[in-house]
Amino acid sequence: EAQVTQNPRYLITVTGKKLTVTCSQNMNHEYMSWYRQDPGLGLRQIYYSMNVEVTDKGDVPEGYKVSRKEKRNFPLILESPSPNQTSLYFCASALAGDNEKLFFGSGTQLSVL
Amino acid sequence: GQNIDQPTEMTATEGAIVQINCTYQTSGFNGLFWYQQHAGEAPTFLSYNVLDGLEEKGRFSSFLSRSKGYSYLLLKELQMKDSASYLCAVSRSLWNNDMRFGAGTRLTVKP
Repeated sequence: EAQVTQNPRYLITVTGKKLTVTCSQNMNHEYMSWYRQDPGLGLRQIYYSMNVEVTDKGDVPEGYKVSRKEKRNFPLILESPSPNQTSLYFCASALAGDNEKLFFGSGTQLSVL
Repeated sequence: GQNIDQPTEMTATEGAIVQINCTYQTSGFNGLFWYQQHAGEAPTFLSYNVLDGLEEKGRFSSFLSRSKGYSYLLLKELQMKDSASYLCAVSRSLWNNDMRFGAGTRLTVKP
């Protein structure tokens, strides 16, 4: 089944404790991206990757890191989480190209205490 | 600035028709997408418009007017399972990464 797999589904942590949210897709998509979703603000892009070893900042990259060592995986790293990073996070992937639809993972609800 | 505006909430009755509007002002336009998101779930693709006019897909249709910066999603024969948030998103260029989302419209379908 074609899918984007995100883990964990829920995560509660404390300020400053490094964490990684994993994302993997099995559709051979070139493009992958991370979004955060906050009430009233819609989905905002954190980082994206157009292909292996090619990553770039989105609209809200501060406090986050990513890597794209393999085509299928695109982990999101929070080196020192803070309470303002409490949010619902989505990973998405798509074929590279014009107006290709996004496929989203099931989301990670992160709470930073 | 980049503005994509949609109503926050709407309520409609099962079996009825509802129209969800989206207006946008963005630097660049390459296409407009609609996604459906059930509570606690991932957004899923519904439709997209590149040219002006109406695109019909079963019970769902989407309309675009590029000159007016306006789109709507039309849902016919509403069912309870259509209760969800509907996200309007504008692709600003030819590149995947350049998409901006509205805050979404939460639709509640009542019996």
